[in-house]
Formats: sequence, structure tokens, C-alpha cells
Amino acid sequence: NFMLTQPHSVSESPGKTITISCTASSGRIASNYVQWYQQRPGHTPTTVIYEDNLRPSGVPDRFSGSIDSSSNSASLTISGLSIEDEADYYCQSYDNNNQGWVFGGGTRLTVL
Amino acid sequence: QVQLVHSGAEVKKPGASVKVSCTASGYTFTEDYMHWVRQAPGQGLEWMGWINPDSGGTNYAEKFQGRVSMTRDTSTSTVSLEVNRLASADTALYSCVRGGLSAWYPPEFWGQGTLVTVSS
Repeated sequence: NFMLTQPHSVSESPGKTITISCTASSGRIASNYVQWYQQRPGHTPTTVIYEDNLRPSGVPDRFSGSIDSSSNSASLTISGLSIEDEADYYCQSYDNNNQGWVFGGGTRLTVL
Repeated sequence: QVQLVHSGAEVKKPGASVKVSCTASGYTFTEDYMHWVRQAPGQGLEWMGWINPDSGGTNYAEKFQGRVSMTRDTSTSTVSLEVNRLASADTALYSCVRGGLSAWYPPEFWGQGTLVTVSS
């Protein structure tokens, strides 16, 4: 089955840059678009990246996304970290075999 | 504006069934697929399946096949999710999520969800 694997957690200091990986198994990451969602405690997820590397209006350009076919993974990079970026981040794509969404397990970002 | 309004919280005993609903407004209900995603306390997002509100066609994640049913009522723009043979591991927030014109379209809008608690 197509699966997406993320690190459980990442932490970094304010002002620094972090990258969260999302590695695909049993399928090619480039087969379908990857989205990234931010979820703060008690809130619904919001889109920070769609179609691999596009930002919705209102999302600061500190957020960027990319795909690396050689490592079969997607990445979310957040630069100039601020406390407000503390949240859970999920990657999401589509499984052609099961014809459904697939979510990564989520990464807890701590800015300390 | 788009709204997805969920039914109220439920408390069920193990082995029971639960049916939660989600009423859509602010867009053409039959145009976009509707998905159900659940999130157990402190856990990640888990896709359960989708329903095509136009045709009523469904597709369930393999994990839930035989135990869930998704239906729609176009007259009230409502989708429903029924989960049978509940266990404590089914305690979660169940959310309908608007997708797009086809099943592969990503999440477009998330409802606030219905909390289902399974406890003896």
C-alpha cells in the first residue's frame, strides 16, 4: 500500500530554518500532487502548500515545498521560524490503487 | 461562504453503531466529492473514504470496508457516516472534508467534526 512517512517531531530556534520530509513507499511520490497542512491544537488543518510547491494566498513565503524523485520524497521548508509556526504538519497525497487520500503520520514542530 | 455543519457529539458502548452527519452549504453540494477523515485524541489524520454526492458512489479505505457506510441526501445537502461494531480505538473526531470534482482532488475545506467516544 502507498504510504507517506514523516519524522515524529522536529525542533529549532526562532529565526532558523527547518525542513520536514515526507517519504513515499510502494509508489512514486511524483505520481500525484503533494499537499502540506498545518494543524494547531484544537483547530482544523489549513493548507500551507498545495500541488507540491504552491502557496495559498495568505501563507507567508517563508513556507515552501518541493519534490525529490531521487529520494521519492516531498519536503516542507519553513524559514525564519517564529513561535506561531508551532503546530503539527501533515503531508497528503493520493493513492491511485485505493483511489483515496493518504496522509503522513504528522510532524510536531516545536520552536524553542 | 462554505460551511460544513456536523451533528452533535456521541457516546457509545463497545459493539454499538453510530451515525454522524454533515450538512453542507455555500456551494453546489453535488459538484464535489466529500470525504470522511478521523483523528483519534493526540493522533494523526486518517482517511476513511469518500462519497460522490451526485451519484451516491462510495469508496472506503481498506481498513474500514465492511464496517462503515457513507450515504447522502441531496435534498438536504447532507452526508452521513455510519460506523458499526465500535471499539475503544474508534474514539475520535470524525470530520467531513470537501474535496473536488474528482476523488484525487485534495482537501479543500474541513468541517469541525463530531466527537465520538466509545466507552463501557
